[in-house]
Amino acid sequence: AQTVTQSQPEMSVQEAETVTLSCTYDTSENNYYLFWYKQPPSRQMILVIRQEAYKQQNATENRFSVNFQKAAKSFSLKISDSQLGDTAMYFCAFMMYQAGTALIFGKGTTLSVSS
Amino acid sequence: DTGVSQDPRHKITKRGQNVTFRCDPISEHNRLYWYRQTLGQGPEFLTYFQNEAQLEKSRLLSDRFSAERPKGSFSTLEIQRTEQGDSAMYLCASSLPRGTFILQDEQYFGPGTRLTVT
Repeated sequence: AQTVTQSQPEMSVQEAETVTLSCTYDTSENNYYLFWYKQPPSRQMILVIRQEAYKQQNATENRFSVNFQKAAKSFSLKISDSQLGDTAMYFCAFMMYQAGTALIFGKGTTLSVSS
Repeated sequence: DTGVSQDPRHKITKRGQNVTFRCDPISEHNRLYWYRQTLGQGPEFLTYFQNEAQLEKSRLLSDRFSAERPKGSFSTLEIQRTEQGDSAMYLCASSLPRGTFILQDEQYFGPGTRLTVT
């Protein structure tokens, strides 16, 4: 069975600084997807960034980038130039490369950005 | 179509009552998922539909839970004889536009239905 572990329950950062959220996962699959989702307080979950396991290049989306280490089964999220609007719960999620399989989420990291 | 919608957003019920939630996915999506999220935890998978067919159910989905997607569009999740342990946020997600020939795609989430059982 696949598992996702986020070892940082809470993190805080000042505006404009950079923060890295950690995620490790366990799987015997070779092809899969990894995601970071953001859940702001009382608002719906939205996708931040995705990574296909077969791609060696790390995904980037504007201020968000990942460090994907397939052998180490590590998938960290770096947020550059943090903004107040980045305050949210961040979930790392795994999905097998099979039709219709569900997302497997970690327990999340609460990120607080202060001015 | 602006996204996945869920109704109601909040539901308070007494233990032992039945409740039903509705999810309207993005209209062109053929896959629909239900998840449950308890406070401070990540969402956990409950069940999955491809069009109107329920293809997978988690062991979390006890026999008090039933889900339907009768015409392959909206879906309902019913909980019978609610228990306090059912208190959670119930999330719906949809994915994969019809006619797309890929195995997987990102899931788009609705705002959730927060259930409180007293």
